[in-house]
Amino acid sequence: DAKTTQPNSMESNEEEPVHLPCNHSTISGTDYIHWYRQLPSQGPEYVIHGLTSNVNNRMASLAIAEDRKSSTLILHRATLRDAAVYYCILRDSDFGNEKLTFGTGTRLTIIP
Amino acid sequence: DTGVSQDPRHKITKRGQNVTFRCDPISEHNRLYWYRQTLGQGPEFLTYFQNEAQLEKSRLLSDRFSAERPKGSFSTLEIQRTEQGDSAMYLCASSLGGRQAKGYNEQFFGPGTRLTVL
Repeated sequence: DAKTTQPNSMESNEEEPVHLPCNHSTISGTDYIHWYRQLPSQGPEYVIHGLTSNVNNRMASLAIAEDRKSSTLILHRATLRDAAVYYCILRDSDFGNEKLTFGTGTRLTIIP
Repeated sequence: DTGVSQDPRHKITKRGQNVTFRCDPISEHNRLYWYRQTLGQGPEFLTYFQNEAQLEKSRLLSDRFSAERPKGSFSTLEIQRTEQGDSAMYLCASSLGGRQAKGYNEQFFGPGTRLTVL
């Protein structure tokens, strides 16, 4: 799997938007970009995934650069419950059910 | 609760002892995964099953580790002759996969079993 690079940590104020970046300069044409997050003392949970076009769901938005070498997970209005480690993962599959290769992720702290 | 469950949640053992963890996946999921997570690191893949067949094992899964899913439902992960380096969180996940999977099927994780080897 291609490698991703994320900042180790970020802080954001409650009720403000959060932009979590991910660099993946070696992404291949068939790699999908997946995001999972891990809340304290819990297992990871799926957030969103995409290939080329920007994606939205009830949890977040995923903005993908035109050259696909970077992407940004957007939380539109952060709450305290969004404090977690966010993982950006590349996988050569759209189906999401093969093994996941996690990096160290970005630890997001929300300031009340 | 119909999510993935793991038992026990915590296990403390002495070096050299054997331990066994259990994972109950979401009932309709045919794929089951085991991961290990150490402090400050992301989860690392260990192995996965489709139904009762173990389809892939990581190099991390030494001979002291064995996983089973005998009836294609729950799974057990056994560690023999535990070492201090085995101390970690052991995570189980499940999903639909193979011919049963249509479109995107994310992995659902359990809360994990935290192992401490003294």
